Amino acid sequence: DAGVIQSPRHEVTEMGQEVTLRCKPISGHDYLFWYRQTMMRGLELLIYFNNNVPIDDSGMPEDRFSAKMPNASFSTLKIQPSEPRDSAVYFCASQAPAGKYNEQFFGPGTRLTVL
Amino acid sequence: AQSVTQLGSHVSVSEGALVLLRCNYSSSVPPYLFWYVQYPNQGLQLLLKYTSAATLVKGINGFEAEFKKSETSFHLTKPSAHMSDAAEYFCAVSDHGGFQKLVFGTGTRLLVSP
Repeated sequence: DAGVIQSPRHEVTEMGQEVTLRCKPISGHDYLFWYRQTMMRGLELLIYFNNNVPIDDSGMPEDRFSAKMPNASFSTLKIQPSEPRDSAVYFCASQAPAGKYNEQFFGPGTRLTVL
Repeated sequence: AQSVTQLGSHVSVSEGALVLLRCNYSSSVPPYLFWYVQYPNQGLQLLLKYTSAATLVKGINGFEAEFKKSETSFHLTKPSAHMSDAAEYFCAVSDHGGFQKLVFGTGTRLLVSP
């Protein structure tokens, strides 16, 4: 299995532009998580899905952030409009349904820089 | 809400020395606890997890952690550090309401010198 795939790996954009981050979870996993990692705030859970349905989006910082999961193999995290304080590494993770104590598998992350 | 505190943002050891990374948790219910490792420019990888079975948990790469309820601790240890252990280590606890939602500590960067 290729693991969790994220694209792009690096994104540099200007303030005010729309940014879309993409994630392909491991096949068969029915949980998908979006995290943000910064020096100041560490690793924060933004939102997670189960069977393509958003379960908890309490970590989404504001309305400029939105996430979708149109099918079991694809999710997007969109920031519109982007701001310099959104600069961070964004991770996607997925988790299998079988059993109760499964681990989350993380993708390599997308490093976002907003100028 | 549950939380974890990692003492020391940086820990430096010599190759072959004992590694000890500290994690204390706060929880009003029996917690599930995890240690993850992050190598440069990579995502997080699970090292080990405690899920109310044995209190001494063995993980990958020779790491282990002991759950101590009386001390609310889940410290990570390795008897002999290797250069390849240099990375950032995160302790995490499952939040109320389910195993899936993890709360991470701020991380400890392990530096290994020859």
